[in-house]
Amino acid sequence: GAVVSQHPSWVICKSGTSVKIECRSLDFQATTMFWYRQFPKQSLMLMATSNEGSKATYEQGVEKDKFLINHASLTLSTLTVTSAHPEDSSFYICSAKVTRTEAFFGQGTRLTVV
Amino acid sequence: GDSVTQMEGPVTLSEEAFLTINCTYTATGYPSLFWYVQYPGEGLQLLLKATKADDKGSNKGFEATYRKETTSFHLEKGSVQVSDSAVYFCALSGGSRDDKIIFGKGTRLHILP
Repeated sequence: GAVVSQHPSWVICKSGTSVKIECRSLDFQATTMFWYRQFPKQSLMLMATSNEGSKATYEQGVEKDKFLINHASLTLSTLTVTSAHPEDSSFYICSAKVTRTEAFFGQGTRLTVV
Repeated sequence: GDSVTQMEGPVTLSEEAFLTINCTYTATGYPSLFWYVQYPGEGLQLLLKATKADDKGSNKGFEATYRKETTSFHLEKGSVQVSDSAVYFCALSGGSRDDKIIFGKGTRLHILP
């Protein structure tokens, strides 16, 4: 079946540095990918919709300058957390739809900012 | 806007008990409905789905029926196992491939041996 690969699976960074998370669709093309954030024991909060070749669409309350999204090809979207701070520590998950009714999720990236 | 409401957890059951996790939704149009499962420290896995009214999704002994009249998609399993312990998310998505998936808050399930 279709696979969405997310990398890295975990990362620890110092406060003030930037971290890039990659999301790849391995055997299908994805014009649209989605980025979610999940706090411990909570649901997935949609951060933004990543559109290939155009600007991402951010959900209300999500800082676009803080969470930079680039969807440069049909198989790759990246999320960069800029000037990370401890409150950005979270589990980030990407998703892509294969068809209108079928979505696959990456394994998730656990970010810890120290 | 569209939304999903599911029962609060945690839910604790003994092995072989009957499971129901309630889920209701609000949506315009005719969304597709999903149940996802998340095991500790992992990403999400699709458990089952239904794309139109009266459809029944099923997988691994779990079932859910798309009820348009009650806007519900309750998850059921006749006999749970310890390995079913996880967090379950009800979700919906619109009819387009570009439509985002909206999740409920999740229900944590603990199965005792």
